[in-house]
Amino acid sequence: QSALTQPPSVSGSPGQSVSISCTGTSSDVGSSNRVSWYQQPPGTAPKLIIYEVNNRPSGVPDRFSGSKSGYTASLTISGLQAEDEADYYCSSYTTSGTLVFGGGTKLTVL
Amino acid sequence: QVQLQESGPGLVKASETLSLTCSVSGGSISSYYWSWVRQPAGKGLEWIGRIYSSGSTNYNPSLKSRVTMSVDTSKKQFSLKLNSVTAADTAVYYCARGTVGRGAFDIWGQGTMVTVSS
Repeated sequence: QSALTQPPSVSGSPGQSVSISCTGTSSDVGSSNRVSWYQQPPGTAPKLIIYEVNNRPSGVPDRFSGSKSGYTASLTISGLQAEDEADYYCSSYTTSGTLVFGGGTKLTVL
Repeated sequence: QVQLQESGPGLVKASETLSLTCSVSGGSISSYYWSWVRQPAGKGLEWIGRIYSSGSTNYNPSLKSRVTMSVDTSKKQFSLKLNSVTAADTAVYYCARGTVGRGAFDIWGQGTMVTVSS
């Protein structure tokens, strides 16, 4: 199984919105609603911020939202804040019952 | 609240077996699935596999031939064994909890660094 495709980096100024894409295939993103997103600040463990495409765990600000169209899932962060600077990873279950992560995207808040 | 803690040797010799254990505290080990994820320095996350509290497993196809996971519900622990390790297996290893049906890891351990020496 190949890693899902994410842009290596994105950036935005405080208050702006940014989106991170996550492209897979018909064997993963295209056929699964179990797409998740994780936030990982440097030196820390990943934190779940979106599950099942567009659901937020308790405590995650509603500035974070998820969507999916076809083989591509997206994470949108609105009202960008300095504390949002981190690496972001998507993941998806596959038709084989395994899981695959994206390569990760580094978000820089300018 | 539920916490996960990885434990095991931080240094493993090449060709030998990497063994890690994850201890679950503050909650039940039943009715969830438990995964291992690793991250080489400066690189992305790689899913290694998962084990249900019942003992059934799924492994990453690229690692399947070298991976064995087990669970001990009485001790609230689950374990990872990765054999025939090479330098490419050097990484931070995380254990994580998954909720059946959600396909997401809602609780993670802090991670443990494992270095494979030649």
